Amino acid sequence: GNSVTQMEGPVTLSEEAFLTINCTYTATGYPSLFWYVQYPGEGLQLLLKATKADDKGSNKGFEATYRKETTSFHLEKGSVQVSDSAVYFCALSASQGGSEKLVFGKGTKLTVNP
Amino acid sequence: DTEVTQTPKHLVMGMTNKKSLKCEQHMGHRAMYWYKQKAKKPPELMFVYSYEKLSINESVPSRFSPECPNSSLLNLHLHALQPEDSALYLCASSRSQLVETQYFGPGTRLLVL
Repeated sequence: GNSVTQMEGPVTLSEEAFLTINCTYTATGYPSLFWYVQYPGEGLQLLLKATKADDKGSNKGFEATYRKETTSFHLEKGSVQVSDSAVYFCALSASQGGSEKLVFGKGTKLTVNP
Repeated sequence: DTEVTQTPKHLVMGMTNKKSLKCEQHMGHRAMYWYKQKAKKPPELMFVYSYEKLSINESVPSRFSPECPNSSLLNLHLHALQPEDSALYLCASSRSQLVETQYFGPGTRLLVL
């Protein structure tokens, strides 16, 4: 079946540090890949996406590249801010049992200190 | 505009109450979803509507009853809930149920006493 594995948190960084959150997936077929962010007390916001191999999604300084050979979609940001503190979910969308479903990783909580 | 709205933002209900959650989108999306999210967990899919017809029910207890009155609205009717049903309920929509980006609302935080 389809599944997503992302690094366990929590992750604590100082402002301006480099961020990597690892995400790997297992899927049949050709999934689309997503990163969603959830700020405290809020719903999920789409951060970025990639729909085919070697695509790079980017938004707000965050980037992730769809790597089919390593089945990965790692999230990176060169210089984090306090306002980036949130929970980050890696997800894939693929056909499963004849239906398209969004499969989430367990989430990684990021705290950025000033 | 990629906005999905949900009302109410917070809801407290007793186990004998009947209440409804509402979700609305005006993006012309034809697939709408209900998810349940417990603290420190990812969202869990409950229901999917595609072209106003129930497409997926993830074996959700009958005390949760979804309704899709038209292509812009999605309701979740609640009756005789249990304390363990307390959670954040998220609505999402996408252009279709095929592999498309889902856009989420802010959620309704439900507390069942």
